[in-house]
Amino acid sequence: KQEVTQIPAALSVPEGENLVLNCSFTDSAIYNLQWFRQDPGKGLTSLLLIQSSQREQTSGRLNASLDKSSGRSTLYIAASQPGDSATYLCAATGFQKLVFGTGTRLLVSP
Amino acid sequence: ETGVTQSPTHLIKTRGQQVTLRCSSQSGHNTVSWYQQALGQGPQFIFQYYREEENGRGNFPPRFSGLQFPNYSSELNVNALELDDSALYLCASSGGSSSYEQYFGPGTRLTVT
Repeated sequence: KQEVTQIPAALSVPEGENLVLNCSFTDSAIYNLQWFRQDPGKGLTSLLLIQSSQREQTSGRLNASLDKSSGRSTLYIAASQPGDSATYLCAATGFQKLVFGTGTRLLVSP
Repeated sequence: ETGVTQSPTHLIKTRGQQVTLRCSSQSGHNTVSWYQQALGQGPQFIFQYYREEENGRGNFPPRFSGLQFPNYSSELNVNALELDDSALYLCASSGGSSSYEQYFGPGTRLTVT
């Protein structure tokens, strides 16, 4: 059974700082790894999807890496801004479904 | 291209009642998945529908049921509501050229009193 863990559970940083969010999964037989952003009480916005054959994906200030052998993914956010404040969820895609971690709640202070 | 939509946005029900939540999939997508997200938790997979057939189910009791229609929109039905059913219910569609990537709707917040 796939289990996904995210560390840290919460993170508070000043504006401009670079930061790393961590995600680990127990079963390396995944199709891909997807990172989402969730604002309070809202749905999920897909940020990056890394296919199982890929090592990383980049979009603007975001970079996500995937190491299937160690069961880890990281989301790097460069030059953080107050608008980045949200909960970030990672999800491992198996057959039919996504298995989510419990998220990292990020607060970026001006 | 129209994104995933869900209705209603909020709903308040009493324990024991029944509820129906609706989801319209993104244009070109033939698969719909439903997730339940309790407060402070990650979403949990309920079930998935592919071309009107259930295509996988998570660890939820039979009182959680669903339908998918020929236009690939979907319904989630929950019977005999319990207090623990209070959650954000998320619908995601997939298919087309990016078959594994799931696109989520805004969710329906269900409160059971």
